[in-house]
Amino acid sequence: EVQLVESGGALVQPGGSLRLSCAASGFTFSSYTIHWVRQAPGKGLEWVSCISSSSSVIYYADSVKGRFTISRDNAKNSLYLQMNSLRAEDTAVYYCARDYSTFYFFDYWGQGTLVTVSS
Amino acid sequence: QSVLTQPPSVSAAPGQKVTISCSGSNSKILNNYVSWYQHLPGTAPKVLIYDNDQRPSGIPDRFSGSKSGTSATLGITGLQTGDEADYYCGTWDSSLNSWVFGGGTKVTVL
Repeated sequence: EVQLVESGGALVQPGGSLRLSCAASGFTFSSYTIHWVRQAPGKGLEWVSCISSSSSVIYYADSVKGRFTISRDNAKNSLYLQMNSLRAEDTAVYYCARDYSTFYFFDYWGQGTLVTVSS
Repeated sequence: QSVLTQPPSVSAAPGQKVTISCSGSNSKILNNYVSWYQHLPGTAPKVLIYDNDQRPSGIPDRFSGSKSGTSATLGITGLQTGDEADYYCGTWDSSLNSWVFGGGTKVTVL
C-alpha cells in the first residue's frame, strides 16, 4: 500500500525556520517526482515545490522561492522541505503528493502536517 | 488570483447533477492534461479525474471530466451527501514551470 506520511509541523515565530519530512512506503520512491502542496486556513490548495526522481529538476512557487528548499534522500525514502524566513502567510497544512508521471497528476497524497507561523 | 478560475460554490439536491467549470486565463494554460481532486476537510485530497476525462480505478462513473479549448468541466451525477467537499482542477503550466490549481469549488448537497 502506498503511504506518504508528513511530519515536522509546529508553531514557529516569524522569521524562523522549520524542516518538514515526508516518509514514503509501498512503492519505489526513487522512481517518482514528488511535490509539496499547502492549504492555508480558509484558502484553496497551493502548489509549493517539486523535485524529480533523481533531484535533477527542482521547481518552486514564486511565493517561496529563495526561502524554501526541497530535497530528497532516495536511500531513506524521504522527502524534505527546509523552510526559512517564515512568514505568517506560510501558515498552512503542508501535504506531500506523488506525481504519477512527471507533471502529470497527483495520485497519492499524505494526510498533511500543520505549520503555524505566529508570535 | 489563480490562473484557473472555478466557481466558488455549486449546490443541488440529492440525486441531481452538478457541473464545475475550470477556465484558463490564457490560451496555453490548459495545453496540458487537467486533473480534478476532491478534498474533504482534515483528509488527504483524492484524484477523481486525470487526462481531462479518465477516472482512476475505484472512482465511480458518477464522476466525469471533459475539456474543450481553454476550459475543463467536472460533472457529478446522482449527487450524494458524501459528495459534499471542495473540488479543485489542476494542471502543469509549462510556461511558468509550476503546477497550478483552480481556486476550488465547494459542493453543497441541499
